Formats: sequence, C-alpha cells, structure tokens
Amino acid sequence: GAGVSQSPSNKVTEKGKDVELRCDPISGHTALYWYRQRLGQGLEFLIYFQGNSAPDKSGLPSDRFSAERTGESVSTLTIQRTQQEDSAVYLCASSPDRGANIQYFGAGTRLSVL
Amino acid sequence: SQQGEEDPQALSIQEGENATMNCSYKTSINNLQWYRQNSGRGLVHLILIRSNEREKHSGRLRVTLDTSKKSSSLLITASRAADTASYFCATVIGNQFYFGTGTSLTVIP
Repeated sequence: GAGVSQSPSNKVTEKGKDVELRCDPISGHTALYWYRQRLGQGLEFLIYFQGNSAPDKSGLPSDRFSAERTGESVSTLTIQRTQQEDSAVYLCASSPDRGANIQYFGAGTRLSVL
Repeated sequence: SQQGEEDPQALSIQEGENATMNCSYKTSINNLQWYRQNSGRGLVHLILIRSNEREKHSGRLRVTLDTSKKSSSLLITASRAADTASYFCATVIGNQFYFGTGTSLTVIP
C-alpha cells in the first residue's frame, strides 16, 4: 500500500501565525512519531503515539507545540505563534507493532517562518 | 543524552571504494538501526542489529555492534554514486528511537 504521507510538503508562514501539519501513517501501523530536523542536523524527537495509549510528549520543545491522533489514523502537529527558530523539516514516521521496530518515514514538511 | 554520534560527520570517496561510518552511544539498547536519507527526503531503513548480535549483512552493507564499547559501524562495499546520502544510526530503547547526527557520504563517480 501507500507509504507515510505528509502535507503540505512546504509551508511558508509569518512569525506569530499558527500552522498545522498533517501525517497519514501506513494503514494498520499502531505507532506514530513526529521529529524535527534542522538544516544539516539529526532528528529531534517530538512526540510518540501508540494505539490508544497516552502519547509520549516528552520531546515537545514548548507549550506552543501540540499534536493529536485519533486511534490509529491521521495525526496533526500544531505549532502556535510560530517563531523563526521553528523553521525546520518536520518528519513523521509510523511503525507496525508495539515495541522496538523499524520506522517508515514520510518525506516531511519543510516549514519556513519569516 | 542517549543520542548517538556518527563519525565522521562527512566522508568523500571514489566510486568502487568502501565507506565506513561509526556510531557511538551511551546506554544499553534493545537494538540499533541504520537509516539513509537522500537530500530533501525522509529516512529509509537499511538494517537492524539486535543487542545480542555482533555482525549482520545485507547486500553490500555490513553492520557490526560492540555492546561493550557501545559502538556500531556501517560498511558499504563497492560504493556507487547512488549511495551518496546521509546515514543515521538509531539506538532503540523500548519504544524510543534516538537518532544520531548523521554522516554525509559523497561518492564521486
């Protein structure tokens, strides 16, 4: 089937605006992860969803960041009152089973805050 | 931080040569994985090695794991221009993945 899909692929916004990023995981994958990747750097964990369990939000950098996921479907990452330092690629990954497993990544959303 | 660190940060080789990159980490892990990222794309899983394994092969890839030294290496043999990409190691503890900072590999045709 289709891979992980993220939208939009690119987003340019003005400082102070809110943005919403979307991730469609692979059907049947119970785990979903959001990461932030600044230019030329590694992946920074943001949040992890596993089925209907409470999400692991330990990586969210501030209360301006939030994410939702309903069941094992689409997830949205919302950044409120965007700042220039929020500019990065936001990557979503899904994984089929509970516990350690490989991750399937989307192509990411490139966010530019002017 | 558990985040792994790859070494070297950047590597440039001629096509046909072998490329070796290393990953070090800090705490005990369930498994270690290597991923590849082409410019502007998401990461693609390459290979997984469990904590009780010492070496694993997949095609032109060879991965080793030394849990006593908390380090892993990825060897790409007979490199091709298409291998040009960034390579990341990810240490897995429970459900958490800790990605390193990556090695940027350039294979010159």
